[in-house]
Amino acid sequence: GAVVSQHPSWVICKSGTSVKIECRSLDFQATTMFWYRQFPKQSLMLMATSNEGSKATYEQGVEKDKFLINHASLTLSTLTVTSAHPEDSSFYICRAKGRWDTEAFFGQGTRLTVV
Amino acid sequence: KNEVEQSPQNLTAQEGEFITINCSYSVGISALHWLQQHPGGGIVSLFMLSSGKKKHGRLIATINIQEKHSSLHITASHPRDSAVYICAVGTSGSRLTFGEGTQLTVNP
Repeated sequence: GAVVSQHPSWVICKSGTSVKIECRSLDFQATTMFWYRQFPKQSLMLMATSNEGSKATYEQGVEKDKFLINHASLTLSTLTVTSAHPEDSSFYICRAKGRWDTEAFFGQGTRLTVV
Repeated sequence: KNEVEQSPQNLTAQEGEFITINCSYSVGISALHWLQQHPGGGIVSLFMLSSGKKKHGRLIATINIQEKHSSLHITASHPRDSAVYICAVGTSGSRLTFGEGTQLTVNP
């Protein structure tokens, strides 16, 4: 199946710093990217949906100024957690879909720990 | 009531046992997904189905659209099958609604 590469797989950062997470579609053009967050023992929660070249659509309760999503190309989307705080510690995972695809593909996920 | 409900929440089996995980949903769907999440967090898509039955190796997934129910079966289970299995339903715009997952542990 299609490959979505997400980096880094884990990151530890200090409170107040920003962290960027990248998702790349390696063998298809990702016209739509979904970003999810998962707290321990909980389901994945959709944070935002982005279409290439457009501004992301954020789910209710997700701060767009804190979680900056960029989807400037058909193979790369980034999620930047700005001014990270310990409560932002979570597992973040992307899911990419091509325009004509019926299925979307998950990245490997990023475990963020803010200390 | 969640839109997607899985049962059981936790399942422990002995190696070789036949395993069934169930998923019921209450919304209209375009497709249903079964996902596998390993302890490191990475998610693998096992099946996407909108009708009938699919088989891949020791895994079988079925769906009954009228009853809004799907099952994931694992035959001849093995310790490496230990993971969280997640049912997710696709709705409009490729959005997914996730069940809470079933933690499967297969003991040798």
